[in-house]
Amino acid sequence: GENVEQHPSTLSVQEGDSAVIKCTYSDSASNYFPWYKQELGKRPQLIIDIRSNVGEKKDQRIAVTLNKTAKHFSLHITETQPEDSAVYFCAASLGNSARQLTFGSGTQLTVLP
Amino acid sequence: NAGVTQTPKFQVLKTGQSMTLQCAQDMNHNSMYWYRQDPGMGLRLIYYSASEGTTDKGEVPNGYNVSRLNKREFSLRLESAAPSQTSVYFCASSEVGGLRLFFGSGTQLSVL
Repeated sequence: GENVEQHPSTLSVQEGDSAVIKCTYSDSASNYFPWYKQELGKRPQLIIDIRSNVGEKKDQRIAVTLNKTAKHFSLHITETQPEDSAVYFCAASLGNSARQLTFGSGTQLTVLP
Repeated sequence: NAGVTQTPKFQVLKTGQSMTLQCAQDMNHNSMYWYRQDPGMGLRLIYYSASEGTTDKGEVPNGYNVSRLNKREFSLRLESAAPSQTSVYFCASSEVGGLRLFFGSGTQLSVL
């Protein structure tokens, strides 16, 4: 099955700096890669996603890049703000099916004021 | 629209007791999922239902059963709870052919 590894497990940055979280996946057939944000005590919420036919996608201060050859993808947050503090999860589809996601173990991002 | 609604929000069970977690969505989504979240392990898929009338095992199905009651509702049952099932359980749904998951607010389950 799919294995998704996520690094780092914790990340602290100063407000205004950039944050980068990286994930690697094992199944070369995976074709969908979302990122979820989970604030303390809340439900995970989708913040951005990318499909394997695209190398990069941006949405305001958030961007995701995908390297299919190396089988890794990254979340980039620029101009971080205290409200960006949360746990971020990457995920990858199980093969090319639209039926299952495998999640990474999460990154606790803390933005220091 | 309420989105995805889960009940109960909190539950404490004794080892061997049974219970059912309820989930309902009002977004007319075809697919529904049950995940468990444990510290340092992300979200792991227990069971999913790609469409009404079908259910399939996920990564960690042992000790659980599910029922897709209709298009809106997908329940998760623990027949004989064990301490290893202490976790936060999330229900989610997605549109047909898609994997953009909408999560419920979660159920904190403790098995003593």
